[in-house]
Amino acid sequence: QKEVEQNSGPLSVPEGAIASLNCTYSDRGSQSFFWYRQYSGKSPELIMSIYSNGDKEDGRFTAQLNKASQYVSLLIRDSQPSDSATYLCAVNGPSGSARQLTFGSGTQLTVLP
Amino acid sequence: GAGVSQSPSNKVTEKGKDVELRCDPISGHTALYWYRQSLGQGLEFLIYFQGNSAPDKSGLPSDRFSAERTGGSVSTLTIQRTQQEDSAVYLCASSLLAYEQYFGPGTRLTVT
Repeated sequence: QKEVEQNSGPLSVPEGAIASLNCTYSDRGSQSFFWYRQYSGKSPELIMSIYSNGDKEDGRFTAQLNKASQYVSLLIRDSQPSDSATYLCAVNGPSGSARQLTFGSGTQLTVLP
Repeated sequence: GAGVSQSPSNKVTEKGKDVELRCDPISGHTALYWYRQSLGQGLEFLIYFQGNSAPDKSGLPSDRFSAERTGGSVSTLTIQRTQQEDSAVYLCASSLLAYEQYFGPGTRLTVT
């Protein structure tokens, strides 16, 4: 069983719409959750981190965490073509390996002009 | 400020040769991580250094892989007797607070 699962996509949304990206994780001991954006041929770029249940907003991005459901999501409001990328969900590793990140396989997002 | 830097950006090597990949973390970051990203495999943790503590080598795929971190800063990942399955992008990340890791541009390794 994969430790971090994401909708593989691809996900297409029209410009200006809300893009919703979802992630589930298996280790209940996980405490830190991250969203990275990766453009084709580039390295991952950290865009959001969340540690507590609830919502965290940063500009057009909102991360949502529900530890009881082992679910974390990323909402992108007013999506722009420049948001087209692969979004990686990352969770701090299995209990006892707290520093390493475990990544999902990513969701490819395309924002259509 | 300067981000994580890695060199070389691209490396082509023949099967069986040894390679060294270098990572220079963000100044002041105490933790350094190596990952690799292969097509269809996602991002895979390799090794983690934190200060002067013993590194966490739990992700190294074989004993052909090793890494060191000198002076708590620059790190070198060495792959001995390279195989074609070692072809991937090798990514280095560093962090200061909690687990927020910042990645370098990566080294694309191609083993022919």
